[in-house]
Amino acid sequence: EAGVTQFPSHSVIEKGQTVTLRCDPISGHDNLYWYRRVMGKEIKFLLHFVKESKQDESGMPNNRFLAERTGGTYSTLKVQPAELEDSGVYFCASSLLQVPNTEAFFGQGTRLTVV
Amino acid sequence: AQSVTQPDIHITVSEGASLELRCNYSYGATPYLFWYVQSPGQGLQLLLKYFSGDTLVQGIKGFEAEFKRSQSSFNLRKPSVHWSDAAEYFCAVRTGGGNKLTFGTGTQLKVEL
Repeated sequence: EAGVTQFPSHSVIEKGQTVTLRCDPISGHDNLYWYRRVMGKEIKFLLHFVKESKQDESGMPNNRFLAERTGGTYSTLKVQPAELEDSGVYFCASSLLQVPNTEAFFGQGTRLTVV
Repeated sequence: AQSVTQPDIHITVSEGASLELRCNYSYGATPYLFWYVQSPGQGLQLLLKYFSGDTLVQGIKGFEAEFKRSQSSFNLRKPSVHWSDAAEYFCAVRTGGGNKLTFGTGTQLKVEL
């Protein structure tokens, strides 16, 4: 069974450009999460989808970040326009919806560098 | 507010030595606790989890962790470290719907041969 897949693995963009990160969750996982780790700091929650609906977006830093999950399958996280402080590793995770005692499975992350 | 503290940013141990990574949490309800590991170039992999029941939980790769409610701790242990255990270790607590997690800052483990 395929795990959580993230594309690209690395991205280097200039300040002011747009970048779109993609996450393919494990098949059948209705919960999808985005997290971010800025260098040297903790991994922080960004938002949570249940199927195609945003359940919790309390961690989104500002309106330059837009997450979508059309059709409740894969998700994209767009940063527009990118700023230097957006650099970091963006993790996606997924989990089953109805099973309480389960865990989130993480992708390998996308390392974003804004120069 | 919920929080997780990993007081050790870096730890170095010799191969074959025992290991204990500390984790303290602050959470009002019964915590659901996790340890994840990130090896170089890899994603976050779950080592073990605590939801309820026996406070000593076994995980993969020979790791175990003990939940101590009185100390608000969930320390990770391994009796004999292997060079391949060199990685970054994250403690986390579930703090919201689904599997919304709050992480600690991580502990970087170096293993000396």
